[in-house]
Amino acid sequence: GAVVSQHPSWVICKSGTSVKIECRSLDFQATTMFWYRQFPKQSLMLMATSNEGSKATYEQGVEKDKFLINHASLTLSTLTVTSAHPEDSSFYICSAVGRQGRSVDEQFFGPGTRLTVL
Amino acid sequence: AQTVTQSQPEMSVQEAETVTLSCTYDTSESNYYLFWYKQPPSRQMILVIRQEAYKQQNATENRFSVNFQKAAKSFSLKISDSQLGDTAMYFCALEWLSGSRLTFGEGTQLTVNP
Repeated sequence: GAVVSQHPSWVICKSGTSVKIECRSLDFQATTMFWYRQFPKQSLMLMATSNEGSKATYEQGVEKDKFLINHASLTLSTLTVTSAHPEDSSFYICSAVGRQGRSVDEQFFGPGTRLTVL
Repeated sequence: AQTVTQSQPEMSVQEAETVTLSCTYDTSESNYYLFWYKQPPSRQMILVIRQEAYKQQNATENRFSVNFQKAAKSFSLKISDSQLGDTAMYFCALEWLSGSRLTFGEGTQLTVNP
């Protein structure tokens, strides 16, 4: 099946610093990628939709200046958490849309990134 | 707006037995896609099963099957011959257009006991 990677898998940073998370589709091209946030024992909350070559679309309540998303190529999208604070500590998951022998698009999920802000 | 509701926060089952997880949803679309995802302790999201709303036949994948009731907007997951490796959080999800955003339910934590 299709593989989506995320890097880093776990990051600890100091309050006030910025952290970049990469999401890559390894064996397919993804015109659309999604970024989710998940708190412990809760569901996935969509943060933004990332389309290659255009600005990301953010969900209501998500600060676009704090969570910068760049989708520079068909295989890479990045999420930068700027001036991170402890409340930004969470599990961030990306997904990439592609086709793997199917006639319809499917979302493939990355393994997630655990962010801890001290 | 689309909504997905899972009313069972936690469930448990004995190994080798059968368990059914419930999911209801609401959408104004006539065609859409429904999914069950599994999230084990590793937190990697794994697709369990997929159902196209225009198909009347219930989807099956080995030990996993669904009961799709379109009129009732119900989409339950049945796991037969439960295995210890089935222990995970299970999410029901709705997608109105292939490759578009997913709307997730709150999740059901399933524990399979030996």
